[in-house]
Amino acid sequence: QVHLLQSGIEVKTRGAAVKVSCKASGYTFTSYGISWVRQAPGQGLEWMGWISAYNGNTNYAQKFQGRVTMTTDTSTSTAYMELRSLRSDDTAMYYCARDGLWFGLDPWGQGTLVTVSS
Amino acid sequence: EIVLTQSPGTLSLSPGERATLSCRASQSVTGNYLAWYQQKPGQAPRLLIYDALSRATGIPDRFSGSGSETDFSLTISRLEPEDFAVYYCQQYGGSPYTFGQGTKLEIK
Repeated sequence: QVHLLQSGIEVKTRGAAVKVSCKASGYTFTSYGISWVRQAPGQGLEWMGWISAYNGNTNYAQKFQGRVTMTTDTSTSTAYMELRSLRSDDTAMYYCARDGLWFGLDPWGQGTLVTVSS
Repeated sequence: EIVLTQSPGTLSLSPGERATLSCRASQSVTGNYLAWYQQKPGQAPRLLIYDALSRATGIPDRFSGSGSETDFSLTISRLEPEDFAVYYCQQYGGSPYTFGQGTKLEIK
Protein backbone atom coordinates (compact mmCIF):
# COMPACT_ATOMS: atom_id res chain seq x y z
CA GLN A 1 0.00 0.00 0.00
CA VAL A 2 1.50 3.30 -1.10
CA HIS A 3 1.68 5.79 1.77
CA LEU A 4 3.23 9.19 2.44
CA LEU A 5 3.67 10.19 6.08
CA GLN A 6 4.44 13.84 6.81
CA SER A 7 5.98 15.47 9.84
CA GLY A 8 3.92 17.25 12.48
CA ILE A 9 2.56 20.73 13.08
CA GLU A 10 5.03 23.60 12.96
CA VAL A 11 4.73 27.05 14.53
CA LYS A 12 7.30 29.55 13.33
CA THR A 13 7.99 33.24 13.69
CA ARG A 14 8.27 35.58 10.73
CA GLY A 15 11.64 35.39 9.02
CA ALA A 16 12.36 31.87 10.23
CA ALA A 17 12.62 28.71 8.13
CA VAL A 18 10.62 25.49 8.23
CA LYS A 19 11.57 22.05 6.98
CA VAL A 20 8.80 19.52 6.36
CA SER A 21 9.47 15.84 5.80
CA CYS A 22 7.54 13.28 3.81
CA LYS A 23 8.39 9.58 4.31
CA ALA A 24 7.32 7.25 1.51
CA SER A 25 6.49 3.57 1.77
CA GLY A 26 4.95 0.84 -0.36
CA TYR A 27 6.71 1.63 -3.63
CA THR A 28 10.17 2.10 -5.15
CA PHE A 29 10.98 5.63 -4.00
CA THR A 30 13.44 6.39 -6.79
CA SER A 31 10.93 5.51 -9.53
CA TYR A 32 8.85 8.61 -8.91
CA GLY A 33 9.11 12.25 -8.03
CA ILE A 34 7.50 14.20 -5.23
CA SER A 35 5.50 17.37 -5.71
CA TRP A 36 4.77 19.81 -2.90
CA VAL A 37 1.44 21.65 -2.80
CA ARG A 38 0.16 24.10 -0.23
CA GLN A 39 -3.28 25.29 0.77
CA ALA A 40 -3.86 28.46 2.75
CA PRO A 41 -6.82 28.40 5.18
CA GLY A 42 -10.08 28.30 3.24
CA GLN A 43 -8.27 28.65 -0.09
CA GLY A 44 -7.40 26.50 -3.10
CA LEU A 45 -4.36 24.43 -3.98
CA GLU A 46 -1.02 25.94 -5.00
CA TRP A 47 1.81 23.90 -6.54
CA MET A 48 5.23 24.77 -5.12
CA GLY A 49 7.54 22.50 -7.05
CA TRP A 50 8.77 19.01 -7.83
CA ILE A 51 11.81 16.91 -7.12
CA SER A 52 12.95 13.73 -8.83
CA ALA A 53 13.73 11.04 -6.26
CA TYR A 54 15.86 9.36 -8.94
CA ASN A 55 18.46 12.08 -9.49
CA GLY A 56 17.45 15.04 -7.30
CA ASN A 57 16.51 17.31 -10.20
CA THR A 58 14.13 20.02 -9.13
CA ASN A 59 11.58 22.32 -10.73
CA TYR A 60 10.33 25.13 -8.52
CA ALA A 61 7.40 27.43 -9.15
CA GLN A 62 8.76 30.87 -9.92
CA LYS A 63 6.92 32.32 -6.93
CA PHE A 64 9.09 30.29 -4.55
CA GLN A 65 12.42 30.44 -6.39
CA GLY A 66 15.19 31.46 -4.01
CA ARG A 67 13.13 30.72 -0.92
CA VAL A 68 12.44 26.99 -1.23
CA THR A 69 14.71 23.95 -1.35
CA MET A 70 13.48 20.42 -2.00
CA THR A 71 15.68 17.45 -1.26
CA THR A 72 15.44 13.69 -0.89
CA ASP A 73 17.20 11.04 1.17
CA THR A 74 16.98 7.80 -0.79
CA SER A 75 18.39 5.79 2.14
CA THR A 76 15.23 6.53 4.14
CA SER A 77 12.79 7.16 1.23
CA THR A 78 12.13 10.61 2.60
CA ALA A 79 11.56 13.91 0.82
CA TYR A 80 12.06 17.30 2.42
CA MET A 81 10.78 20.78 1.67
CA GLU A 82 12.45 23.78 3.31
CA LEU A 83 10.87 27.20 3.04
CA ARG A 84 12.87 30.20 4.30
CA SER A 85 12.13 33.81 5.20
CA LEU A 86 8.64 32.87 6.33
CA ARG A 87 5.88 35.45 6.12
CA SER A 88 2.39 35.53 7.58
CA ASP A 89 0.91 34.52 4.22
CA ASP A 90 2.96 31.31 4.28
CA THR A 91 0.54 30.02 6.93
CA ALA A 92 -0.95 26.98 5.22
CA MET A 93 -1.29 23.24 5.09
CA TYR A 94 1.63 21.81 3.15
CA TYR A 95 1.17 18.54 1.28
CA CYS A 96 3.56 16.19 -0.45
CA ALA A 97 2.29 13.94 -3.21
CA ARG A 98 3.83 11.20 -5.30
CA ASP A 99 4.33 12.48 -8.82
CA GLY A 100 4.65 10.03 -11.70
CA LEU A 101 4.87 13.02 -14.10
CA TRP A 102 2.17 11.68 -16.40
CA PHE A 103 -0.35 10.20 -13.97
CA GLY A 104 -1.37 13.02 -11.71
CA LEU A 105 -0.51 13.36 -8.01
CA ASP A 106 -1.31 10.18 -6.13
CA PRO A 107 -1.34 9.59 -3.26
CA TRP A 108 -1.01 12.65 -1.03
CA GLY A 109 0.44 12.88 2.44
CA GLN A 110 -1.84 13.83 5.29
CA GLY A 111 -0.55 17.39 5.32
CA THR A 112 1.59 19.46 7.67
CA LEU A 113 0.14 22.64 9.13
CA VAL A 114 2.65 25.47 9.24
CA THR A 115 1.62 28.56 11.18
CA VAL A 116 3.68 31.71 10.92
CA SER A 117 3.15 34.18 13.72
CA SER A 118 4.67 37.51 14.56
CA GLU B 1 1.34 29.73 -17.10
CA ILE B 2 -1.92 27.98 -17.86
CA VAL B 3 -4.89 29.39 -15.95
CA LEU B 4 -7.67 26.91 -15.19
CA THR B 5 -11.16 28.27 -14.60
CA GLN B 6 -13.72 25.97 -12.99
CA SER B 7 -17.46 26.41 -13.16
CA PRO B 8 -19.76 26.64 -11.44
CA GLY B 9 -18.24 27.84 -8.19
CA THR B 10 -20.91 26.01 -6.23
CA LEU B 11 -23.25 23.28 -7.44
CA SER B 12 -26.30 22.34 -5.37
CA LEU B 13 -27.76 18.93 -6.17
CA SER B 14 -29.53 16.04 -4.48
CA PRO B 15 -28.30 12.47 -4.02
CA GLY B 16 -29.12 10.41 -7.08
CA GLU B 17 -28.78 13.35 -9.47
CA ARG B 18 -26.11 13.77 -12.13
CA ALA B 19 -23.33 16.33 -11.66
CA THR B 20 -21.27 17.93 -14.39
CA LEU B 21 -18.29 20.10 -13.45
CA SER B 22 -16.35 22.17 -15.97
CA CYS B 23 -12.69 23.15 -16.22
CA ARG B 24 -11.54 25.54 -18.93
CA ALA B 25 -7.87 26.19 -19.70
CA SER B 26 -6.42 29.49 -20.92
CA GLN B 27 -4.39 27.56 -23.50
CA SER B 28 -4.26 24.01 -24.75
CA VAL B 29 -3.17 21.47 -22.13
CA THR B 30 -0.22 19.49 -23.48
CA GLY B 31 -1.03 15.82 -23.90
CA ASN B 32 -4.41 16.41 -22.23
CA TYR B 33 -2.53 15.96 -18.96
CA LEU B 34 -5.47 17.05 -16.85
CA ALA B 35 -6.43 15.57 -13.48
CA TRP B 36 -9.40 15.89 -11.15
CA TYR B 37 -9.20 15.69 -7.35
CA GLN B 38 -11.79 15.44 -4.61
CA GLN B 39 -11.19 17.09 -1.26
CA LYS B 40 -13.36 16.65 1.81
CA PRO B 41 -13.09 18.91 4.88
CA GLY B 42 -9.99 18.19 6.93
CA GLN B 43 -8.63 15.72 4.38
CA ALA B 44 -5.95 15.74 1.73
CA PRO B 45 -7.04 15.78 -1.91
CA ARG B 46 -7.64 12.44 -3.60
CA LEU B 47 -6.92 11.73 -7.25
CA LEU B 48 -10.05 10.76 -9.20
CA ILE B 49 -9.14 11.15 -12.87
CA TYR B 50 -5.83 11.54 -14.72
CA ASP B 51 -4.96 12.10 -18.37
CA ALA B 52 -8.39 13.75 -18.67
CA LEU B 53 -10.38 10.50 -18.78
CA SER B 54 -8.61 7.67 -16.92
CA ARG B 55 -9.99 6.71 -13.53
CA ALA B 56 -7.48 6.32 -10.73
CA THR B 57 -7.21 3.04 -8.86
CA GLY B 58 -10.23 2.34 -6.69
CA ILE B 59 -12.38 5.17 -8.02
CA PRO B 60 -16.01 4.14 -8.64
CA ASP B 61 -17.18 4.10 -12.23
CA ARG B 62 -19.84 6.74 -11.54
CA PHE B 63 -16.94 9.21 -11.91
CA SER B 64 -15.91 9.94 -15.49
CA GLY B 65 -13.73 12.53 -17.17
CA SER B 66 -13.94 13.91 -20.68
CA GLY B 67 -12.66 16.70 -22.87
CA SER B 68 -9.48 17.79 -24.59
CA GLU B 69 -7.24 20.78 -25.30
CA THR B 70 -8.96 23.59 -23.38
CA ASP B 71 -12.33 22.20 -22.28
CA PHE B 72 -12.66 19.41 -19.75
CA SER B 73 -15.47 17.98 -17.66
CA LEU B 74 -15.93 15.72 -14.66
CA THR B 75 -19.24 13.89 -14.50
CA ILE B 76 -20.65 12.04 -11.52
CA SER B 77 -23.45 9.93 -12.96
CA ARG B 78 -25.48 9.38 -9.80
CA LEU B 79 -24.51 11.28 -6.68
CA GLU B 80 -23.90 9.39 -3.47
CA PRO B 81 -23.92 11.19 -0.06
CA GLU B 82 -20.13 10.81 0.18
CA ASP B 83 -19.60 12.67 -3.12
CA PHE B 84 -20.42 16.08 -1.67
CA ALA B 85 -17.04 17.78 -1.47
CA VAL B 86 -14.81 20.26 -3.29
CA TYR B 87 -13.40 19.26 -6.67
CA TYR B 88 -10.26 20.65 -8.29
CA CYS B 89 -8.87 20.25 -11.76
CA GLN B 90 -5.11 20.41 -12.34
CA GLN B 91 -2.94 20.47 -15.44
CA TYR B 92 0.46 18.78 -15.36
CA GLY B 93 1.39 19.05 -19.02
CA GLY B 94 3.52 22.10 -18.50
CA SER B 95 5.40 23.92 -15.78
CA PRO B 96 4.23 25.27 -13.48
CA TYR B 97 1.50 22.81 -12.67
CA THR B 98 -1.67 24.79 -12.02
CA PHE B 99 -4.97 24.12 -10.28
CA GLY B 100 -8.43 25.47 -10.84
CA GLN B 101 -10.04 27.41 -8.01
CA GLY B 102 -12.38 24.53 -7.17
CA THR B 103 -16.07 23.68 -7.42
CA LYS B 104 -17.98 23.03 -4.23
CA LEU B 105 -20.60 20.32 -4.65
CA GLU B 106 -23.19 20.74 -1.92
CA ILE B 107 -26.37 18.93 -0.94
CA LYS B 108 -29.51 20.69 -2.09
